[in-house]
Formats: sequence, C-alpha cells, structure tokens
Amino acid sequence: GMPVEQNPPALSLYEGAESGLRCNFSTTMKGVQWFQQNHRGRLITLFYLAQGTKENGRLKSTFNSKERYSTLHIKDAQLEDSGTYFCAVEANSAGNKLTFGIGTRVLVRP
Amino acid sequence: VTLLEQNPRWRLVPRGQAVNLRCILKNSQYPWMSWYQQDLQKQLQWLFTLRSPGDKEVKSLPGADYLATRVTDTELRLQVANMSQGRTLYCTCSSGLGGTSQNTLYFGAGTRLSVL
Repeated sequence: GMPVEQNPPALSLYEGAESGLRCNFSTTMKGVQWFQQNHRGRLITLFYLAQGTKENGRLKSTFNSKERYSTLHIKDAQLEDSGTYFCAVEANSAGNKLTFGIGTRVLVRP
Repeated sequence: VTLLEQNPRWRLVPRGQAVNLRCILKNSQYPWMSWYQQDLQKQLQWLFTLRSPGDKEVKSLPGADYLATRVTDTELRLQVANMSQGRTLYCTCSSGLGGTSQNTLYFGAGTRLSVL
C-alpha cells in the first residue's frame, strides 16, 4: 500500500468548528511535516515534528513515531483555512526527500 | 518574507520541446535546495536535492525527463524535456538535513507547465 495515507480525503466544516486530520505511515519515520496548499497553489509550511506535539494559533499537530501516525487539529475554523493539507514524512536516511500523502481537501463554509 | 523566487510562473510547452526553469534563493541560511513535482492528481513527489554549485543530476519519471543543476549558491535550475502531461514544479529550501527542524522545507510559488 501507500507509504503515507491521509484521511479523510475531504472534509467540510463550518466557520468556528473544529476537526482533525490524520496521517498514517507504513514504517518508522524520523520526522513529519504538514503543509497547507491554498487555492493559488502556494504550499505553506505549517509544522515540522520529530516527536511530540506542537501548537501554533488554532492549529495543533502531534507525531507518534512508534505508532506511526501524525494528526493535525484545526480549531475555530476560518474561511482562510480552506485548502488541501498535506503531510509529508522523512525516512531515516532521506535528508530533504519527503514522501507526501495525497492530501485532505478542507472546505470551510460560512 | 519570500525565501525563493521561481520563474517562469507558467509556461505552455509544445510537445517535444524542452523548457528551462529557474529558482533563486533569497536567504543563504537555507542552502539545501530541492525540486518537487506535483502531478495533475495533486500528488507531490521529490525529484532532486542539490547542495553544491556544479552538482547535476538527471531523472526520468512517467511523463517527463529532468536535468537539475545547482548553478551557484543561490541558483537552482531544472530542464524539463519530453513532457507528455502537465505538472507543477516546486523549488524548496531548508537550512539543513535530517532529523531536526533544520530539515523544515519551504516552498517556492511553483512553475505550472501545460502541454500544447
């Protein structure tokens, strides 16, 4: 199967709501990164995690290397949070070579 | 603050023709530069990482052939040839390699290629 699986494939939520995205990977990874791709195609770096949890404003991400998953939580969703969210993993000897999931398309409605 | 400048932003490529892309690094604290492609199904895939001026690599993937060159400490180039399907090429940079937040990747705005 795919080395990086993201779910759900798509998510719709109303402004002010919260939801979580998940990324599962098939082997132990050294790190995980999350990106948001907006409607113009720009890829915005959200988080790098080698372990544990990070929080930035309304976004929070966790990385469990042992259980082989990462999550991204969005709270108090805003219209500008719409876009496609990608997780990307860094294998043990990969350097700058990240393996990307297929993304979760998020639509925030007013 | 923009770390990377890519040009052109968009190009229509006649079938059989090659196209040359450029990426300029604006902050020398992020010298590890890479190319990624995004296909029409939105799948992102690593192509190359080139650190030193003079480094060159070639690769063939479904739908295109690539030649990447690190020209200088601040310039990365990519030649795309024999493209049969449209795609977007992204340049990235990071401050280091491996296992720490130094490997955090930052993306340029991308060059969108369409086949004529």
